[in-house]
Amino acid sequence: AQKVTQAQTEISVVEKEDVTLDCVYETRDTTYYLFWYKQPPSGELVFLIRRNSFDEQNEISGRYSWNFQKSTSSFNFTITASQVVDSAVYFCALIHLNRDDKIIFGKGTRLHILP
Amino acid sequence: DAGVTQSPTHLIKTRGQHVTLRCSPISGHKSVSWYQQVLGQGPQFIFQYYEKEERGRGNFPDRFSARQFPNYSSELNVNALLLGDSALYLCASSSVPAGGATDTQYFGPGTRLTVL
Repeated sequence: AQKVTQAQTEISVVEKEDVTLDCVYETRDTTYYLFWYKQPPSGELVFLIRRNSFDEQNEISGRYSWNFQKSTSSFNFTITASQVVDSAVYFCALIHLNRDDKIIFGKGTRLHILP
Repeated sequence: DAGVTQSPTHLIKTRGQHVTLRCSPISGHKSVSWYQQVLGQGPQFIFQYYEKEERGRGNFPDRFSARQFPNYSSELNVNALLLGDSALYLCASSSVPAGGATDTQYFGPGTRLTVL
């Protein structure tokens, strides 16, 4: 079965702290993509990153970084020096390559950055 | 360039009524997918259309239907509305079918449907 688990329902940190959002996935396929999306209060899902299953290289984009580890089926997201504007719900998602299949979302982690 | 647009923004209906939600994809995108997001949950896949053909369907009853037009815009129809259909309905577009080698889905702002 394919599944995405975001065990942290809600996290609160003080501004400027670093915070890591966890994502664990299950799949029997060897080729797949993983995503992170941000959903601010406005409701629109904002694409952050896509990673394919053959590329385990970690990625950094400004204050955002992602740690993909196939050995533990995890794709964690770290925000460094958090800001109030980072407050949102963050979703991790999985989709399989070349299958007319649905993208599977986790339940999301609500992140509160406190001033 | 315009992103994915959806209309209406908000909608209030009563049980048993019918609703039509509309989505226009990013220019050049041929794939449109629909998702239902109930409060506190992640989006759940409803349909995917590519080049006007249905390419995928989630676990939703037959009351839910959709279609894609020649200009790649799409409509989601829900008949015989139930209270449980209250949710944010999201549309996403991509240049290839979901799961394609270069697939990234870009989401619209959603339509918030309230069923009373």
